[in-house]
Amino acid sequence: DVKVTQSSRYLVKRTGEKVFLECVQDMDHENMFWYRQDPGLGLRLIYFSYDVKMKEKGDIPEGYSVSREKKERFSLILESASTNQTSMYLCASSLQEIQPQHFGDGTRLSIL
Amino acid sequence: AQSVTQPDIHITVSEGASLELRCNYSYGATPYLFWYVQSPGQGLQLLLKYFSGDTLVQGIKGFEAEFKRSQSSFNLRKPSVHWSDAAEYFCAVGALGGADGLTFGKGTHLIIQP
Repeated sequence: DVKVTQSSRYLVKRTGEKVFLECVQDMDHENMFWYRQDPGLGLRLIYFSYDVKMKEKGDIPEGYSVSREKKERFSLILESASTNQTSMYLCASSLQEIQPQHFGDGTRLSIL
Repeated sequence: AQSVTQPDIHITVSEGASLELRCNYSYGATPYLFWYVQSPGQGLQLLLKYFSGDTLVQGIKGFEAEFKRSQSSFNLRKPSVHWSDAAEYFCAVGALGGADGLTFGKGTHLIIQP
């Protein structure tokens, strides 16, 4: 069974800090994704990657960057955290385009 | 651009009653459609998917969904709900050739009354 592991379930950071959210998948999937989830807005795509060192902007990339140095690991970076980035962040992976995406349990991030 | 509409933000159903959650999509080509469920504090779990073929698809936990191209709909159904079905349900659409993630609806919160 595919496992997508997000390093933290809960995280509290301060405004202006650089924040790293880590995601690891164990099934050799090519594609990895970062979403944020907010009440009433559903899931919105931040960034995705279809190969090592490749990245593409999603619908809401502003204020975020990503890193994919190894196939199994996809990191989301908040360069200078702001309170409007308080949210639930979900990582997902998939084997090929359109194949079902497998999700991690999410990281609930609070920026104070 | 593709979009997904889940018209019902909340739905309340009595335990043992039938359930239908609505999903309408907008996309110019053949869509790839998914239903996910999210329990509190958890990630999303895939219930079922439609890629092609039979328009009635069976999923896990007794759920099914029917793809209706003429109505641009992909409604989720269950004949008899259980208290454990209380969760958030998301419909999503993807596009072949577009490795740019899925487009999700805003979700329907399902409440089960005893």
